[in-house]
Amino acid sequence: DAKTTQPTSMDCAEGRAANLPCNHSTISGNEYVYWYRQIHSQGPQYIIHGLKNNETNEMASLIITEDRKSSTLILPHATLRDTAVYYCIVSLYGNKLVFGAGTILRVKS
Amino acid sequence: DAGVTQSPTHLIKTRGQQVTLRCSPKSGHDTVSWYQQALGQGPQFIFQYYEEEERQRGNFPDRFSGHQFPNYSSELNVNALLLGDSALYLCASSLWGSGYTFGSGTRLTVV
Repeated sequence: DAKTTQPTSMDCAEGRAANLPCNHSTISGNEYVYWYRQIHSQGPQYIIHGLKNNETNEMASLIITEDRKSSTLILPHATLRDTAVYYCIVSLYGNKLVFGAGTILRVKS
Repeated sequence: DAGVTQSPTHLIKTRGQQVTLRCSPKSGHDTVSWYQQALGQGPQFIFQYYEEEERQRGNFPDRFSGHQFPNYSSELNVNALLLGDSALYLCASSLWGSGYTFGSGTRLTVV
């Protein structure tokens, strides 16, 4: 599984967009980019995933660069409830998830 | 629609004992994976079950074993418990190839 690199922590003002970067320079052609988040004392929650194209759902948008070596998760209007650890994971479809340390996102009022 | 259900929520065991954790997958899901999350760390993959067979395994000793039943529910067994086995144990279910839904976990404390 390709390794990912994320910033340790980020702050975001409530109501503003939160942009969380992830580097995955060794990603292979058939590996997907997955994003999960974990709010304190809960299990990880699936957010979004993509292969090549940008993706959007009710929670977030995923922007993948053309060379697929990096991606950005965008939470369009962050709220205090979005404070969590965000994990960027690269994996084959259906394969195990290898979690790194993730990014601690703090949304502040 | 019930999500992933894990039991018990908390458990205290003594070193050397054995423990069984249980997981009921989300309705419609057929694949169950187990993860161990130590305090302050990301979840670590233990193994995955599909069609009642272990399909993938992480770097965990044979003291960790599992089972999947015909109704897709699963058990995680840990023998000869060590203090270092204290962690949050997470179960995740999926329909083979789709995104994973995680349960809230079982907090295991070994004393």
